Amino acid sequence: KNEVEQSPQNLTAQEGEFITINCSYSVGISALHWLQQHPGGGIVSLFMLSSGKKKHGRLIATINIQEKHSSLHITASHPRDSAVYICAVMRGGADGLTFGKGTHLIIQP
Amino acid sequence: GAVVSQHPSWVICKSGTSVKIECRSLDFQATTMFWYRQFPKQSLMLMATSNEGSKATYEQGVEKDKFLINHASLTLSTLTVTSAHPEDSSFYICSASGQGYSYEQYFGPGTRLTVT
Repeated sequence: KNEVEQSPQNLTAQEGEFITINCSYSVGISALHWLQQHPGGGIVSLFMLSSGKKKHGRLIATINIQEKHSSLHITASHPRDSAVYICAVMRGGADGLTFGKGTHLIIQP
Repeated sequence: GAVVSQHPSWVICKSGTSVKIECRSLDFQATTMFWYRQFPKQSLMLMATSNEGSKATYEQGVEKDKFLINHASLTLSTLTVTSAHPEDSSFYICSASGQGYSYEQYFGPGTRLTVT
């Protein structure tokens, strides 16, 4: 079993829909990252969470440390949100990341 | 925000040759740099962690003699793939973190390596 599990693996939605991507992990962590990867491969860090909730524009990320679960929400989705969204956890402050397999999101106009 | 560059962005080399990939933090001092690898349609995997001035720590299954990592300064880490084989063809990406950026990692744009 992977240490980081994401769902769904693939998601196609219509423009304007509210999107939720889930991430569960099985190890103790110091922080959880949500990343966005575009077709060219480049990675953008969206959020880093150790507790609670963060919001940036139309993106919201939450984490429940007790349940070892995090969600990424996209409000008013747009075709430019189409990308692979990756959940990654860091066990310790100086540790590298362990990644989920990613969620391939397509937003249709 | 913190910017990390990688060079080259893509490289094609022949089997048996060596390739060096550079990772630079442009506007901050990176005390720690991480090297990741991503095979097609797979998730990213941590290869090694390097701290400035000390030997890199490699993940299990990563050959340290094949993937040479040097972190000689607070702004530069290099990954050299020695005696490259076609199975080393992959997307290599670095990230950097530094003092004042607790737990945050800033990613380079990645290097796509193709070994023929």
